[in-house]
This record gives sequence, C-alpha cells and structure tokens, in this order.
Amino acid sequence: DQQVKQNSPSLSVQEGRISILNCDYTNSMFDYFLWYKKYPAEGPTFLISISSIKDKNEDGRFTVFLNKSAKHLSLHIVPSQPGDSAVYFCAARRNTGNQFYFGTGTSLTVIP
Amino acid sequence: DVKVTQSSRYLVKRTGEKVFLECVQDMDHENMFWYRQDPGLGLRLIYFSYDVKMKEKGDIPEGYSVSREKKERFSLILESASTNQTSMYLCASTGSGSYNSPLHFGNGTRLTVT
Repeated sequence: DQQVKQNSPSLSVQEGRISILNCDYTNSMFDYFLWYKKYPAEGPTFLISISSIKDKNEDGRFTVFLNKSAKHLSLHIVPSQPGDSAVYFCAARRNTGNQFYFGTGTSLTVIP
Repeated sequence: DVKVTQSSRYLVKRTGEKVFLECVQDMDHENMFWYRQDPGLGLRLIYFSYDVKMKEKGDIPEGYSVSREKKERFSLILESASTNQTSMYLCASTGSGSYNSPLHFGNGTRLTVT
C-alpha cells in the first residue's frame, strides 16, 4: 500500500522555466516531508523539507509547498537548469517513530 | 557534513551465495536504515535500527537479515542470494537529537545476482 505517491513518472521542462513536481500522501499522521534528488549510480541527496506546521519553505531556487487538507505537496524549481535533471523522490515521516516513506520518483529532464 | 559510506559500489554474486553489505556513518546517528531501489517502485525499506543490537522489519524484510553490533555500522545480509534481489541497495542514517532531521544516504551498492 503506497502511502506516498508520485503520479508523474517523468517531466520535461525548458531551461529557465519553472519545474513543478507533485506528491500526494494518504496518511494524516505524517508530519515531516522531504524532497530528495538522485543521479544515476549515486545515493539520494537531501534537497529541502517542510514541517506540517508550515505551508511553504524556500531554499534558493527550491520551494516546497504543503497543502495538508489536500494531502499534497509540491516542489518548485525556478529557474530550472540542465544540472537539475535527475530523479526526484518525495518522502514523509509519521509523527510517531522514525520510519520514512518514499514515493516512486519523478524523472526530471531540463532541456537546454 | 554527514558521511555515510557503503563498502562496495558494485557487486556481482552467484545465486545461493551469502552476501554482506556494509554501511558506516560518522555522525553518531542512532537510526540507520537499509532500502532497495527498483525502477517504478521507488525506495522500499528492508530493515532499520534505532540503537545498537536493535532492529525492526521494514516493508520487505523477506530474504534479508541485519546486524548492528556498533553504533556506526549497520550490515545487511542476504542469507542466500537470489536473482530477484538484484537491485540498488541504499543505506541511510539520521539522528534522534533533532526531531526534524533528514535521512542521509550513502552512494549505494549496485548488486547483481546471476
């Protein structure tokens, strides 16, 4: 039972434009959400996170939005760069315990 | 910076072999995890440990075991490797001191079982 879902397996965006990656979750007990970036043959790298008490968190070109009522979060990358081409995973953690749940990933291609 | 080191980047093993994947972290983290990543399936949790000698099953523990004899080291063991265990294996760690602490991953071990 997939508690964190990324329904778009892939996304292509022109360089300089905005990339929007989406993630939905089903468990209302999740209170901490994260985005990871992964290049082939490397481990995932932490990008940005958000606590459930917030609805937005920014770090440079990356912004994460959380809509708790819709159980939806999104990652915005502005402006997109070719080096952003990678697989992006969203993840969530319950407010009890240390287990993290991951989505299936979205492969982003930024076209120069 | 947190460093999570996995002992091998690539491994090729034969069916039936016993396989050890080693992971070491240098940040005194209490919590350590083993995931496998497969195309279309994302990251799936195999086992995790929240303290020395403690372990918890994740979503797909069958065919695997783990060992945590020291705080910095978490080993994944494939008792008798099978071809369906060909995958990318990822080790991760996180601390308990700060509540909202992200997972930090190693570079992964690409295991092929023939």
